[in-house]
Amino acid sequence: EVQLVQSGAEVNKPGESLKISCQGSGYRFDNSWLAWVRQMPGKGLECMGIIYPGDSDARYSPSFQGQVTFSVDKSINTAYLQWSRLKASDTAMYYCARLMSCSGGVCPGAFDLWGQGAMVTVSS
Amino acid sequence: DIVLTQSPLSLPVTPGEPASISCRSSQSLLYSNGYNYLNWYLQKPGQSPQLLLFLGSSRASGVPDRFSGSGSGTDFTLKISRVEAEDVGVYYCMHTLQTPYSFGQGTKLEIK
Repeated sequence: EVQLVQSGAEVNKPGESLKISCQGSGYRFDNSWLAWVRQMPGKGLECMGIIYPGDSDARYSPSFQGQVTFSVDKSINTAYLQWSRLKASDTAMYYCARLMSCSGGVCPGAFDLWGQGAMVTVSS
Repeated sequence: DIVLTQSPLSLPVTPGEPASISCRSSQSLLYSNGYNYLNWYLQKPGQSPQLLLFLGSSRASGVPDRFSGSGSGTDFTLKISRVEAEDVGVYYCMHTLQTPYSFGQGTKLEIK
């Protein structure tokens, strides 16, 4: 089955570090860009950035540059989203999503496969 | 950065009636290859978002043909020909013309 499976819900304190994961299966993981998307409670979707598992090329949206780190372990088909010092404002649901593959030289960039989401709660 | 503005933000619809959502971009999403890099998603209550349409008007796999997309450049529309109860949720447009990608604010469709 083609799927992205994310790690479970997390509850952490401000200032702590955290790394959540997204494991792909059923497709060539290292051949498709992956995106991270934030959804704060009751709010809309925000694209945090994208990473290419093949070479770990990462592109961060300006609002998230320097705030989080994307990484990949190709050997286990897993992408990671990491914080070095969490803040209460990081409380949100985080989704990983796969970008559509290219066809006929056209790369839509649309997110055609989504993980189930990982809820991160940061509270003292 | 590109800003997407959706309207309306709330859309009550009677089952069987049509519905339409607008998405306007702060700059053209038409690329030199002739494609518009505008996508539509639906997030049903309690679920992850799902892709409905990509490149402005192409339906994703498994999406019913009552969903259609139109527009070019900076003005786009998602149309549902006959709304069904299962269509409730929040609809988002998103551009993938260049990084950073961004979403519209979302339009909440509810059944009257």
